[in-house]
Amino acid sequence: EVQLVESGGGLVQPGGSLRLSCAASGFTFSSYWMSWVRQAPGKGLEWVANIKQDGSEKYYVDSVKGRFTISRDNAKNSLYLQMNSLRAEDTAVYYCARGPIVVVPAAIVWSAFDIWGQGTMVTVSS
Amino acid sequence: DIQMTQSPSSLSASVGDRVTITCRASQGISNYLAWYQQKPGKVPKLLIYAASTLQSGVPSRFSGSGSGTDFTLTISSLQPEDVATYYCQKYNSALSITFGQGTRLEIK
Repeated sequence: EVQLVESGGGLVQPGGSLRLSCAASGFTFSSYWMSWVRQAPGKGLEWVANIKQDGSEKYYVDSVKGRFTISRDNAKNSLYLQMNSLRAEDTAVYYCARGPIVVVPAAIVWSAFDIWGQGTMVTVSS
Repeated sequence: DIQMTQSPSSLSASVGDRVTITCRASQGISNYLAWYQQKPGKVPKLLIYAASTLQSGVPSRFSGSGSGTDFTLTISSLQPEDVATYYCQKYNSALSITFGQGTRLEIK
């Protein structure tokens, strides 16, 4: 079964740090770009960051640049999000998602976010 | 940055109605447009990608159309289980991925 399972969320004080993890299974993790998406309570979806299948390219939404770092370990089929200097406005459910690109033999396919984890809640509050 | 604007922000329709949600991009994005469904308390689910390609397992009453800047999600015959918030998303560049603000769909 294709699956993504996030962990690492919790309550943290403003200015603190947290590291989220996403464990992938059931597919060839190293063939996919991976992404983090968040959703503040009662709000819409916001893309946070993504990373190329080999980790050589990383992109972020402006509001987290310089504070968040996305990384991956293909040997462990795992995706990470290191979050530093956390602010109240970072409070959200954080989802890992597969996509938006998959690399197959002789082709690059833009696939949107076809698999999502169940999400992990991050609360930034004193 | 390219902005994605959905309309309406909410709508109420009756079971069996044809429902249409629109999404407009501030610049052309070819067909790099996806639609997601998020039921209350649940994880978002991909419905349509490449503007009009139905994701595997999604009921055929859902369809998508459009290219460039204007896109449409249509539910041909609304069912009670379609109550959800629907989001469009542009993914034409890995550097910046943007969701629309969402459309909340309710049963009248």
